[in-house]
Amino acid sequence: KAGVTQTPRYLIKTRGQQVTLSCSPISGHRSVSWYQQTPGQGLQFLFEYFSETQRNKGNFPGRFSGRQFSNSRSEMNVSTLELGDSALYLCASRRDSETQYFGPGTRLLVL
Amino acid sequence: GENVEQHPSTLSVQEGDSAVIKCTYSDSASNYFPWYKQELGKRPQLIIDIRSNVGEKKDQRIAVTLNKTAKHFSLHITETQPEDSAVYFCAATLFSGGYNKLIFGAGTRLAVHP
Repeated sequence: KAGVTQTPRYLIKTRGQQVTLSCSPISGHRSVSWYQQTPGQGLQFLFEYFSETQRNKGNFPGRFSGRQFSNSRSEMNVSTLELGDSALYLCASRRDSETQYFGPGTRLLVL
Repeated sequence: GENVEQHPSTLSVQEGDSAVIKCTYSDSASNYFPWYKQELGKRPQLIIDIRSNVGEKKDQRIAVTLNKTAKHFSLHITETQPEDSAVYFCAATLFSGGYNKLIFGAGTRLAVHP
């Protein structure tokens, strides 16, 4: 079974721009969660989608949004990028249990 | 609150020694506690997990213990090897908005010296 995949793997943007990241879960997994990883803050929970509905949200500003499609693929969008948004963005998928499987991440650099 | 504290933030051991990483959580309803290992430049990988109805779980050189009363859990690695060098994250479920979400600790950077 193919693992969780994320595209793109690397991205460079400038302040004020917006960005869209994509995550394809493991086949059969309907839940996709997104995390922001920075050196000082560890893994911070952004949101979780299940069957195209957001069912949990972390403490991030409204500039961070996401969606999920009928095939369980998920996208997250960050608008009006700030320097502090530079991070590794990880998605993770799971079936019914709590066990989450992570993708390789998208490394975003905001200049 | 939504909080998982993890200690130490860095840990350096000699090959063959044991390593212990400790985490505390705040939500008494938390019932699932996974541990992830993240090697440099790679994705976090689940190495072991424990549920609240179990006090200890072992898998070869790694073990996890859970003390529900004190709300803390620990990862124990015995006979450490250089390939154990990585960042380790603990996590705990938090029931919020009708569903569980995982809250992670800040991570422990383990260095195993030959």
